Amino acid sequence: GAVVSQHPSRVICKSGTSVKIECRSLDFQATTMFWYRQFPKQSLMLMATSNEGSKATYEQGVEKDKFLINHASLTLSTLTVTSAHPEDSSFYICSARIWQGDTEAFFGQGTRLTVV
Amino acid sequence: SQQGEEDPQALSIQEGENATMNCSYKTSINNLQWYRQNSGRGLVHLILIRSNEREKHSGRLRVTLDTSKKSSSLLITASRAADTASYFCATALNQAGTALIFGKGTTLSVSS
Repeated sequence: GAVVSQHPSRVICKSGTSVKIECRSLDFQATTMFWYRQFPKQSLMLMATSNEGSKATYEQGVEKDKFLINHASLTLSTLTVTSAHPEDSSFYICSARIWQGDTEAFFGQGTRLTVV
Repeated sequence: SQQGEEDPQALSIQEGENATMNCSYKTSINNLQWYRQNSGRGLVHLILIRSNEREKHSGRLRVTLDTSKKSSSLLITASRAADTASYFCATALNQAGTALIFGKGTTLSVSS
C-alpha cells in the first residue's frame, strides 16, 4: 500500500520557538494532504487541507499564522508551529489520499510535540 | 469539526468475545471508513464501505452501514489481546479530495 512518512516522530521545544513537521508521500503523488491534531484520549481534529502550489485551507478556529502550511511539491507538505506555547503540545498527524474515486487515506506515523 | 458520535466510548471484553462499536454521522457521505490506532501511533485503515453498500466483511471484521439512520457498526469477532486499541470511524463527503472527518472513537481493551 501507499506510504506516508512523517518526521520527526517526537520533538521537544522551548516556548517561543518554531517547529517544522514534514509529511512525505513516498510512492505516490499527493496534490492534497491533510493535517490533523489529536489531544490525549480524543479524536483527530482536522486542522487544514494542504494544496500543492496554492494556499492551505484552514478549518474554523485554526490560526493560519500560527500553523504555517507549505505544500511545495507533489510529495511534500510541511506544518510549522510558530512561536510555540505549551498549549500547542499535541499529537499532529498528516494524511494523504490517492484520489481515484473511493479510496482510503494513508496516515503518517504522527509527531508528538511537547512545548516546555 | 467532527461528524458525530461513537459508542461506547470505552469497551472492555475478554479474549474470544465479540466487540461491537457503533458510529453515527450527520451529513451525506460518499463512503465510511474504520481505522485503528494503537496508543500514540498513527492510524491503520481497516475497512471501507461505500454509501451504496450495506455490509462488508474482512477477516474477523464485519461492518454495516445504514444510510437512512446515518449509522455504522464495526464488529470484531473472536477478539484477541492484540486488538486492544482505539477505533475510529471516518466519513468522506461527496466531494472529491475532501478530508476524512473522524468520530470520537471507541477505546477497546481485550483481556487475556
